[in-house]
Amino acid sequence: EIVLTQSPGTLSLSPGERASLSCRASQDIDSAYIAWYQHKSGQPPRLLMYRASYRADGIPDRFSGSGSGTDFSLTITSLEPEDFAMYYCQRYGSTPFTFGPGTKVDL
Amino acid sequence: QVQLLESGPGLVKPSEIMSLTCSVSGGSIISPGFCWTWLRHLPGRGLEWLACIFDNGETYYNPSLKSRLTISLDTSKNQFSLTLRSVTAADTAVYHCARDRILGDHYYGLGVWGHGTTVTVSS
Repeated sequence: EIVLTQSPGTLSLSPGERASLSCRASQDIDSAYIAWYQHKSGQPPRLLMYRASYRADGIPDRFSGSGSGTDFSLTITSLEPEDFAMYYCQRYGSTPFTFGPGTKVDL
Repeated sequence: QVQLLESGPGLVKPSEIMSLTCSVSGGSIISPGFCWTWLRHLPGRGLEWLACIFDNGETYYNPSLKSRLTISLDTSKNQFSLTLRSVTAADTAVYHCARDRILGDHYYGLGVWGHGTTVTVSS
């Protein structure tokens, strides 16, 4: 089974700063098989990116995704107050469609 | 706009069977290209994908839980359900239903989620 690891575990930043989140797979993954989600306490997760670099409907362009092979990333160019949350990457391809352990972006 | 609403027992005793239902509104569950999915958020841990079912009845399960899980559709009620057998305290979690868009080998993500229902396994 392909395992996803995310780093850092916690990213402490301020509004206006740039956030760079990493998602690493234990084996090569087609970039079309990577999605990213934002999760705030008390709310359901929200799809941010699919196919590694495509923004989901309604997602602002300060969010971008990239990567290939085993290394993928999510970048938030300038943090807004509402961006402080947990972020998870997810892989598709073969079931189970596992998630990484998450990166917490906090103040 | 499709909306999902989970319902569940809240509290289940160890070794018993847990049944969850997801009611779909704003759209039909008979929708090619969507896999109706159950996931859970384990306390202090992350998200775990459990199972999904297409409108043609095709199912996929998390192998680590497959022996205890059953996912099903009720098209007459526009609902889908999850049954988890022989529950333990380790199954205590917030359970979410979601809609995944999958077209062949193309994956578009879990774009619609329910708010989740908390299930506690305790005697």
